[in-house]
Amino acid sequence: EVQLVESGGGLIQPGGSLRLSCAASGFTVSSHYMSWVRQAPGKGLEWVSVIYGGGATNYADSVKGRFTISRDNSKNTLYLEMNSLSAEDTAVYYCARQEDWGFDYWGQGTLVTVSS
Amino acid sequence: SSELTQDPAVSVALGQTVRITCQGDSLRRYYASWYQQKPGQAPVLIIYGKNNRPSGIPDRFSGSSSGNTASLTITGAQAEDEADYYCNSRDSSHNHWVFGGGTKLTV
Repeated sequence: EVQLVESGGGLIQPGGSLRLSCAASGFTVSSHYMSWVRQAPGKGLEWVSVIYGGGATNYADSVKGRFTISRDNSKNTLYLEMNSLSAEDTAVYYCARQEDWGFDYWGQGTLVTVSS
Repeated sequence: SSELTQDPAVSVALGQTVRITCQGDSLRRYYASWYQQKPGQAPVLIIYGKNNRPSGIPDRFSGSSSGNTASLTITGAQAEDEADYYCNSRDSSHNHWVFGGGTKLTV
């Protein structure tokens, strides 16, 4: 059974950093695209970043240069390192397994709140 | 960058048919995928590709596409279909993905 479990969210001050984790089971993360998608409170979904099976990465313009996606194949875990956080980054962050045609499995999400 | 536009809200009577649309230039090149999200829950993939449903998704959900518009049709809407629905596709740059703003469906 495919499962994705995010962790690492919490309350962080503006300008701070946070690392999110997404532990995968039931499949191998390095064999799939893996993405982070976020949802600000009361708002819609926003794609954040993808890491391809070969390791290449891509980012939404809103986070490029501040966020870094990575994975640890030995732990079958996806990460999102977030720096220079601002209130606009407050959201539930979901990790999702991705195929070329869409996002087929999602985690339950982890809430990141950026506030002083 | 590309955008996908959805109507913010749609309503349907129980048992009737409703169509939710998604417009964007990227849809001329890429199929949309559709997601259902209920309050407090993660999104769930319900339609992908030309008109494919993952295992477990009822066949009352179907998808279609024409030009720059993708559509999600629910034939015989049920009370449990009340949710937010999002479309998604690659954007015109091929390297990003974009979601529509979402449609709140009231049954």
